[in-house]
Amino acid sequence: DSGVTQTPKHLITATGQRVTLRCSPRSGDLSVYWYQQSLDQGLQFLIQYYNGEERAKGNILERFSAQQFPDLHSELNLSSLELGDSALYFCASSDRDRGETQYFGPGTRLLVL
Amino acid sequence: AQTVTQSQPEMSVQEAETVTLSCTYDTSENNYYLFWYKQPPSRQMILVIRQEAYKQQNATENRFSVNFQKAAKSFSLKISDSQLGDTAMYFCAFMKHLNFGNEKLTFGTGTRLTIIP
Repeated sequence: DSGVTQTPKHLITATGQRVTLRCSPRSGDLSVYWYQQSLDQGLQFLIQYYNGEERAKGNILERFSAQQFPDLHSELNLSSLELGDSALYFCASSDRDRGETQYFGPGTRLLVL
Repeated sequence: AQTVTQSQPEMSVQEAETVTLSCTYDTSENNYYLFWYKQPPSRQMILVIRQEAYKQQNATENRFSVNFQKAAKSFSLKISDSQLGDTAMYFCAFMKHLNFGNEKLTFGTGTRLTIIP
């Protein structure tokens, strides 16, 4: 158990819909990262938050957004879903003062029908 | 931008044997970290081992060790006495060191390792 939790584990929805994925980092970790794992794109970095502020953006679509709350949990919002958004979405957390290693949650499997 | 290359899409080895997975990377950075993550059929991403670029000594974790060649930009993973539970997808990953905060991981495409009973 990495200490990072993600909900839900599985999500099935239809095209055009909006979903929210939730992540709770390891206790004390200030950084939260979101990654997408798909068959054709591999593991790709989407976005990073550090102590409530956006720190870096990767290949994140405009239809996707995220935020980190004062209690440090994070949410990834995916809207106007397309079939190609079906993927495994990982959250990871780390903290510089405890080493830069990122620990991953179990992921949320999203299937868009 | 950094790139990570894993040239072996699939490998298989007999149980109890030793296997080496290859990884090369390209970067202009001098300070960085390298990681191997394991993804078993459960799809969980599990840290196997990490290496700081400023350390000359190769990292080891029980049966897992790395051969880090900074000049050659090579970072291979050796698994000794392989076990059935080692069957998984293995990802090599690069992370730039920042003076403030943390940095994203850049992953290779993975090597699917199968341990044969």
